Amino acid sequence: GQQVMQIPQYQHVQEGEDFTTYCNSSTTLSNIQWYKQRPGGHPVFLIQLVKSGEVKKQKRLTFQFGEAKKNSSLHITATQTTDVGTYFCAGAGSYQLTFGKGTKLSVIP
Amino acid sequence: DVKVTQSSRYLVKRTGEKVFLECVQDMDHENMFWYRQDPGLGLRLIYFSYDVKMKEKGDIPEGYSVSREKKERFSLILESASTNQTSMYLCASSPGDRAHHFGDGTRLSIL
Repeated sequence: GQQVMQIPQYQHVQEGEDFTTYCNSSTTLSNIQWYKQRPGGHPVFLIQLVKSGEVKKQKRLTFQFGEAKKNSSLHITATQTTDVGTYFCAGAGSYQLTFGKGTKLSVIP
Repeated sequence: DVKVTQSSRYLVKRTGEKVFLECVQDMDHENMFWYRQDPGLGLRLIYFSYDVKMKEKGDIPEGYSVSREKKERFSLILESASTNQTSMYLCASSPGDRAHHFGDGTRLSIL
């Protein structure tokens, strides 16, 4: 079945540093979605990428979808303490999503 | 705003009990899902449903069943609860292959 690998598992950064998490799928995806889960909360949808090579920005967050539609990345510029949480990518199949295991981001003030 | 409501935030049950977790969504979404979330394992799909009375097994269906009698409600059933089913259970709904909207989760402890 479809597998989605996400790295790194953990990342500790100083406030103001940049952060990147990467996702790789074993199969070509119809779309990829990104979610953020704050400590004690539930995953919240951030964005969906559909087109090959697509790049989308949300303020300090930049999302990319690879040309082959098998990999994706999330980059945060100048992290803030409000960025703390676990970031998940999820590759879309027919009806279901396959989630990566997530990258837990800690930001040191 | 989409609202996905799970019946309990915290639940404690005993080994061997039959456990029902309820989920209701208010946005007329076709698809509904049940995941469990465990540290280091991420979100794992238990069952999903793309229509009323339809259900499909996810990656870890063993020990679970589901029911979807109405479009807005998706129930997860632990037929005979075991300690290895202690976990956070998350329900989600989505329209087609678009964004999942998650409930707040049920933290289930099986003693």
